[in-house]
Amino acid sequence: DAKTTQPNSMESNEEEPVHLPCNHSTISGTDYIHWYRQLPSQGPEYVIHGLTSNVNNRMASLAIAEDRKSSTLILHRATLRDAAVYYCILNSGNTGKLIFGQGTTLQVKP
Amino acid sequence: KAGVTQTPRYLIKTRGQQVTLSCSPISGHRSVSWYQQTPGQGLQFLFEYFSETQRNKGNFPGRFSGRQFSNSRSEMNVSTLELGDSALYLCASSGGVRTGGLSGYNEQFFGPGTRLTVL
Repeated sequence: DAKTTQPNSMESNEEEPVHLPCNHSTISGTDYIHWYRQLPSQGPEYVIHGLTSNVNNRMASLAIAEDRKSSTLILHRATLRDAAVYYCILNSGNTGKLIFGQGTTLQVKP
Repeated sequence: KAGVTQTPRYLIKTRGQQVTLSCSPISGHRSVSWYQQTPGQGLQFLFEYFSETQRNKGNFPGRFSGRQFSNSRSEMNVSTLELGDSALYLCASSGGVRTGGLSGYNEQFFGPGTRLTVL
């Protein structure tokens, strides 16, 4: 499974946009890019996924580089509830096998 | 719709014992995956079951095993417990059918986990 690289931690102010980067230079053509997050004392939860084009949903946006070697999760207006560990994952089989890295711990300041 | 449930939520065992953890997926879901989470190693994939068959397997020793029943409920067993097996064990369920395209994505729904402590 291809590896992803994320910053260990990031800080944001409440109500401001947050851009969480992810590098995946060894991505293959069939790899989907997934983002999950884990709130304190909870199991991970799905945020968004994409393949080649940018994607939007009610939680976030996913911007994918043209060469697909990097992507950025965008939270448009961070709230205190968005403080969590965010994981960027590659998966080609659309199965339940998710290989988590260390993720980015997002701290949101009031 | 009820979420993924895991039982028990907390468990204390001693070295050498064995343990069985249970996971009930969301109704209609056919895939159940298991993960181990520790402060040192993070979230690690153990195995996935789909329609009672192991579909994917992580890099864990044979002491870790699992099974899935016809109603999609899954159990995970760890034999000869070691101190290092102390962890949060999470299960996740999804529809599991491997269709293509963005719309066919198998979103994983995670349970609250079972906290296992080995003394």
